[in-house]
Amino acid sequence: QVQLQESGPGLVKPSETLSLTCTVSGGSIRSYYCSWLRQTPGKGLEWIGYIHSGGNTNYNPSLKSRVSLSIDTSKNQFSLSLTSVTASDTAVYYCARLLGYSLDLWGQGSLVTVSS
Amino acid sequence: ETVLTQSPGTLSLSPGERATLSCRASQSVLSDYLAWYQQKPDQAPRLLIYRASTRAAGIPDRFSGSGSGADFTLTISRLETEDFAVYYCQLYGGSLAITFGQGTRLEI
Repeated sequence: QVQLQESGPGLVKPSETLSLTCTVSGGSIRSYYCSWLRQTPGKGLEWIGYIHSGGNTNYNPSLKSRVSLSIDTSKNQFSLSLTSVTASDTAVYYCARLLGYSLDLWGQGSLVTVSS
Repeated sequence: ETVLTQSPGTLSLSPGERATLSCRASQSVLSDYLAWYQQKPDQAPRLLIYRASTRAAGIPDRFSGSGSGADFTLTISRLETEDFAVYYCQLYGGSLAITFGQGTRLEI
């Protein structure tokens, strides 16, 4: 059974870079579209971007200048980097598998707080 | 950018009743691109319905999706206590590849 698990710091200082990793277990991420999303009480669910195991990426235009996604097929991991964070980037961050046009598998979520 | 508007914001029903949740797109969309999710407190969303009307694996048949064009509906035929949660519709496509509605809270 394929499972996704986010990991990374729960606290990031303003202006620094938020980095999270999603580890996939129970199956290979080859041929996946791996997505990152975040959720806040105020803005709801927001798509950040996705990356294909072949390296193709697609980012939310509103975050594109600050976001970078990468993938390491040897470790079955994909990663999110969000630069120059502010308090408005405080959210629960999710990784998920995009299968077709929907997100069929999700990680449990990782709360990241931006604060000094 | 296509905006998804869900209604009602909150729906108060009792176990055994029928729930009808609406998702309206700001323009006509392909049914294949419309999905529904359930989210319970402190949990990740769970895929219920994809391609507007196809149940995801393991989803009970009391959940059904329908609609076309700009109007889509999630119906729960007979509510069980575990169904009380927040429901989101999601659209794929366009400049913003994945968008969500603001959610409908289904409460007892």
